[in-house]
Amino acid sequence: KAGVTQTPRYLIKTRGQQVTLSCSPISGHRSVSWYQQTPGQGLQFLFEYFSETQRNKGNFPGRFSGRQFSNSRSEMNVSTLELGDSALYLCASSLSEGAAETQYFGPGTRLLVL
Amino acid sequence: GENVEQHPSTLSVQEGDSAVIKCTYSDSASNYFPWYKQELGKGPQLIIDIRSNVGEKKDQRIAVTLNKTAKHFSLHITETQPEDSAVYFCAASRAQAGTALIFGKGTTLSVSS
Repeated sequence: KAGVTQTPRYLIKTRGQQVTLSCSPISGHRSVSWYQQTPGQGLQFLFEYFSETQRNKGNFPGRFSGRQFSNSRSEMNVSTLELGDSALYLCASSLSEGAAETQYFGPGTRLLVL
Repeated sequence: GENVEQHPSTLSVQEGDSAVIKCTYSDSASNYFPWYKQELGKGPQLIIDIRSNVGEKKDQRIAVTLNKTAKHFSLHITETQPEDSAVYFCAASRAQAGTALIFGKGTTLSVSS
């Protein structure tokens, strides 16, 4: 069974631009969570989607948003990019919603904001 | 909110030695504790997890112990091998919808041969 895939793998943007990242979960998984990973803050939860609905949101500004499609694929968007948004963005999928469901991570999208 | 502390931040061992990584959590309602291994250029990979109704769980060379009274849990790796070198993260969460995994800051394990 194919794992979680994320596209693109690498991205370079400039301040003020916006970016959209994509995540395809493991087949049959209905929940997708997004995390931001930085050397200073570690892994921080962004949001979780289940059945096309946002179920939970972390402590990030409104510039960070996401959505989930009927096939469970998910996208996250960051508008008005700031230098501090440079990070590895990880997507994780699980069979059902809730943090206690085993989450499988993708390889991440590395975003560099110049 | 939930906070997870992880120690040590770096750990160097010789091949064949044991390695122990410890985490403490603050939310007494947490009842799910996974451990992830992250290699360079890859996403975190689940290596073992434990739920609050179990005190210890073992999978070959890896074991996790949980002490709910003291609110801490540990990862034990025996007979370490160079391929065990990676960053290890602990996490904690409540087993209910609308909650998120809270991660420790990670431990960089180096196994030298």
